[in-house]
Amino acid sequence: EAQVTQNPRYLITVTGKKLTVTCSQNMNHEYMSWYRQDPGLGLRQIYYSMNVEVTDKGDVPEGYKVSRKEKRNFPLILESPSPNQTSLYFCACRGSYTEAFFGQGTRLTVV
Amino acid sequence: AQTVTQSQPEMSVQEAETVTLSCTYDTSESDYYLFWYKQPPSRQMILVIRQEAYKQQNATENRFSVNFQKAAKSFSLKISDSQLGDAAMYFCAYRRGGGGADGLTFGKGTHLIIQP
Repeated sequence: EAQVTQNPRYLITVTGKKLTVTCSQNMNHEYMSWYRQDPGLGLRQIYYSMNVEVTDKGDVPEGYKVSRKEKRNFPLILESPSPNQTSLYFCACRGSYTEAFFGQGTRLTVV
Repeated sequence: AQTVTQSQPEMSVQEAETVTLSCTYDTSESDYYLFWYKQPPSRQMILVIRQEAYKQQNATENRFSVNFQKAAKSFSLKISDSQLGDAAMYFCAYRRGGGGADGLTFGKGTHLIIQP
């Protein structure tokens, strides 16, 4: 079954404590992205990647890092989380001409 | 930069009736894709329908259809015979074509309520 798997699904952390949200896909898709969803704002793109070792900033990259060492994995790293990064996060992947497939979402709370 | 606008934060419809959700977008590109995604309370993002800009024919998926007006940059979603399971947030989204790696630009969403 085609899947995008994010972990963890829920996370409560404290300000400044580094965290990583993992994302893995089994569709062999080149393109992967991270989005955050906030009430009244829809989904906004944080970072995207077109293949291994190729990443670029989206619309709201401040405070985030990503890496793409393997095609299937695209982790999102928050080096020093702050309360304004409390949000619902989605990882997505797609092929060149396909729609995006989304993970289940990660609800992050930074206190 | 591309923008997507959904002007209806919330819509309500009686079960079995038809509802239309509005979406407009702004782009200077000629090659692009448009999508409607559904997000039920489970938070999962589910593709409802997609439209390629080069296709003149409006996309249809069962009870869901779009009215794609390229010149007006309008992409509305019509849901016929509304069902209780259609209650969700609906997001309109745009993606540039041409093999670019950049992702989707979303509207802010429309919360659809189905009245039994």
